[in-house]
Amino acid sequence: EAQVTQNPRYLITVTGKKLTVTCSQNMNHEYMSWYRQDPGLGLRQIYYSMNVEVTDKGDVPEGYKVSRKEKRNFPLILESPSPNQTSLYFCASSPYNWDYYEQYFGPGTRLTVT
Amino acid sequence: EDQVTQSPEALRLQEGESSSLNCSYTVSGLRGLFWYRQDPGKGPEFLFTLYSAGEEKEKERLKATLTKKESFLHITAPKPEDSATYLCAAFMFSGGYNKLIFGAGTRLAVHP
Repeated sequence: EAQVTQNPRYLITVTGKKLTVTCSQNMNHEYMSWYRQDPGLGLRQIYYSMNVEVTDKGDVPEGYKVSRKEKRNFPLILESPSPNQTSLYFCASSPYNWDYYEQYFGPGTRLTVT
Repeated sequence: EDQVTQSPEALRLQEGESSSLNCSYTVSGLRGLFWYRQDPGKGPEFLFTLYSAGEEKEKERLKATLTKKESFLHITAPKPEDSATYLCAAFMFSGGYNKLIFGAGTRLAVHP
């Protein structure tokens, strides 16, 4: 089954404790992206990657890191989480670099930072 | 400033009562306008892509249209299973980068 998976689905952590949210897709897509979703603000792009070893900032990259060492995986790293990073996070992938015919979204990771 | 605004924030319909959701955008270099459906606790699910003013696309009870300033998602004779949040997003090339800006969404509730 074609899908984007994220782990964990739920995470409660404390300020400053490094964490990683994994994202994997099995569709051989070049393009992958991370979003956060907050009430009233919609989805905002954090980082995206157009292919292996190629990443770039989205609209809200501060406090986040990413890496793309393999085509299928695109982990999101919070080196020192803070309460304002409490949010619902989505990973997405797409088969095209320069056109979003269709983005496939993962099921989401709900992160709470206390 | 590039911006995407959806209205209304929430919409309650009776089953069979047709209506439209609005997505207005002020962006430079629009390359595409996307509609997604999001069910509670799930990731957005792709519905449509529109590329140029005048374009229309249909899927079951949904029809999406695009003008130079806004897009509409028309829902004809909705059913309770159409209840969801509908998101639109503008894909643009701005400042040397590809950008995708989402609206905040319209929460649709269809009651029997």
